[in-house]
Amino acid sequence: EDQVTQSPEALRLQEGESSSLNCSYTVSGLRGLFWYRQDPGKGPEFLFTLYSAGEEKEKERLKATLTKKESFLHITAPKPEDSATYLCAVQVFPTNFGNEKLTFGTGTRLTIIP
Amino acid sequence: GAVVSQHPSWVICKSGTSVKIECRSLDFQATTMFWYRQFPKQSLMLMATSNEGSKATYEQGVEKDKFLINHASLTLSTLTVTSAHPEDSSFYICSASDYSYNEQFFGPGTRLTVL
Repeated sequence: EDQVTQSPEALRLQEGESSSLNCSYTVSGLRGLFWYRQDPGKGPEFLFTLYSAGEEKEKERLKATLTKKESFLHITAPKPEDSATYLCAVQVFPTNFGNEKLTFGTGTRLTIIP
Repeated sequence: GAVVSQHPSWVICKSGTSVKIECRSLDFQATTMFWYRQFPKQSLMLMATSNEGSKATYEQGVEKDKFLINHASLTLSTLTVTSAHPEDSSFYICSASDYSYNEQFFGPGTRLTVL
């Protein structure tokens, strides 16, 4: 069974204090790993997709990396508006062609203190 | 990025009534739509996957007769919660994708409260 584990469950940082969020996974065959940001009471907002070990993607203060067992979301010099829950999800290779479902981790609630 | 809308954004209903939630892809054709449920401080749990013009595929433990899904066009899917009960109260979120994107784009969610 595919499993996704995120840590820490919650993280409080001072504004400007860089850190990393972890997403470890156990899947039969990884097609893609996705990062989303979710604000309270809203749907997830797409951030990144990573497909192969060694791949990195950046967007503003965020950088996502991928290894064969885990992914990290690095946040550099965060601001209060970066406060949100960050979700990772895995997609495995389908048995039939088509868009396959995502299996989500439980998320990391990030709070940036001014 | 692609835009997905949901309607209504929130709904309150009495126990035993049915509620319909709409999910629309506004600027692309969604060959596949997904319906999720999210309880407070928990992650998203996939309920079902629907492809345009075919029957939805439900996840284990999700009652297909209670949660009716229709994906009649490439821009619209509906979720109907039939004979709703208080335990159905939750945040329902849809997502949409097509073969050229692979990424799923999520709607803003619908808060359902059953009294």
